[in-house]
Amino acid sequence: DAGVIQSPRHEVTEMGQEVTLRCKPISGHNSLFWYRQTMMRGLELLIYFNNNVPIDDSGMPEDRFSAKMPNASFSTLKIQPSEPRDSAVYFCASSQFTQKNSPLHFGNGTRLTVT
Amino acid sequence: KNEVEQSPQNLTAQEGEFITINCSYSVGISALHWLQQHPGGGIVSLFMLSSGKKKHGRLIATINIQEKHSSLHITASHPRDSAVYICAVKTTSGTYKYIFGTGTRLKVLA
Repeated sequence: DAGVIQSPRHEVTEMGQEVTLRCKPISGHNSLFWYRQTMMRGLELLIYFNNNVPIDDSGMPEDRFSAKMPNASFSTLKIQPSEPRDSAVYFCASSQFTQKNSPLHFGNGTRLTVT
Repeated sequence: KNEVEQSPQNLTAQEGEFITINCSYSVGISALHWLQQHPGGGIVSLFMLSSGKKKHGRLIATINIQEKHSSLHITASHPRDSAVYICAVKTTSGTYKYIFGTGTRLKVLA
């Protein structure tokens, strides 16, 4: 298995631009998480999907952030408009919810820089 | 006070030393993860455990549910072990919710 695949690895954009981050979870996993990692706050959960349905989006900072999971093999996290304070590493992770204590598998992350 | 506390925050060791990283938590959990993150790299799951002890190569993880404490040990440390080690607990309150420690930055010198 290729693991969780995220793209792009790096994204540099100007303030105000739209940014779309992509994630392909591990085949067969039905839980998908988007996390944001910063030096100040560590890893924070942004949104959690189970069976493609958003279950908990309480971590999404504000309306500029949106996430979709149109099918079991693809999810996007969109920021529009982007701001410098959105600069962080964004991780996607997946797991098999029905398996008790199925471990989290992380992607390599997308390093976002908003200038 | 954070619900998941790791110690130490930073650790420098000489190659070959035995290393211990600690994690204490204050919430009810169903499992605990030890994660490894190399500089500029992705996050790798080292262990997931809910009781007892697990071993993989030079790495050993233990958990004491009663004391709400886990340790990650590295035997015969090597410079390639240099990374940030993160403790994450899966809470019982929300079956998908993880709470992450702030990480322990380990540097192993040759």
